Amino acid sequence: KQEVTQIPAALSVPEGENLVLNCSFTDSAIYNLQWFRQDPGKGLTSLLLIQSSQREQTSGRLNASLDKSSGRSTLYIAASQPGDSATYLCAAPQAGTALIFGKGTTLSVSS
Amino acid sequence: NAGVTQTPKFRVLKTGQSMTLLCAQDMNHEYMYWYRQDPGMGLRLIHYSVGEGTTAKGEVPDGYNVSRLKKQNFLLGLESAAPSQTSVYFCASRNGPINEQFFGPGTRLTVL
Repeated sequence: KQEVTQIPAALSVPEGENLVLNCSFTDSAIYNLQWFRQDPGKGLTSLLLIQSSQREQTSGRLNASLDKSSGRSTLYIAASQPGDSATYLCAAPQAGTALIFGKGTTLSVSS
Repeated sequence: NAGVTQTPKFRVLKTGQSMTLLCAQDMNHEYMYWYRQDPGMGLRLIHYSVGEGTTAKGEVPDGYNVSRLKKQNFLLGLESAAPSQTSVYFCASRNGPINEQFFGPGTRLTVL
């Protein structure tokens, strides 16, 4: 059974800092991994999808990496801004059906 | 292109009442999912569908029923609501080739 863990649970940084969010998963036989952003009281917005054949995926200031052999993915946020404050969720598929989610990292960026 | 939409956005029920949550997607996706999100528990899969006319149980299916009569719609029903079903419910759909999931805005349900 797939299990997804995210560390840290919460993170506070000053504006402009680069930061890394960590995600680990137990079943490395995945075909992709997805990172989401969730603002308070809102739905989930897909940020990046990394296919198993890829090692990295970039979108603007966001860069996600995937290492299946070690069961890890990281989300790198460059030059953080107050608007980046949100909860970031990592999700890996289980048995080709639904996604298994980590409990998220709540990021607070202060100006 | 509205993506994934959910109706209603908010609802308050009394214990024992029934209701149906509607999810609609206009992306022609085969796969659709219902999740619930609870503090400290994260998102958990309730039921899912791999195509029109099909449904399957997820991790926490008890107390819920679903139907997928049309490809674009996925309904989640609560026959007799319980306070333990107070949660935020999210619907999602998935595009086959890329396997990327897209989520609706959620329904916040309170059962008194």
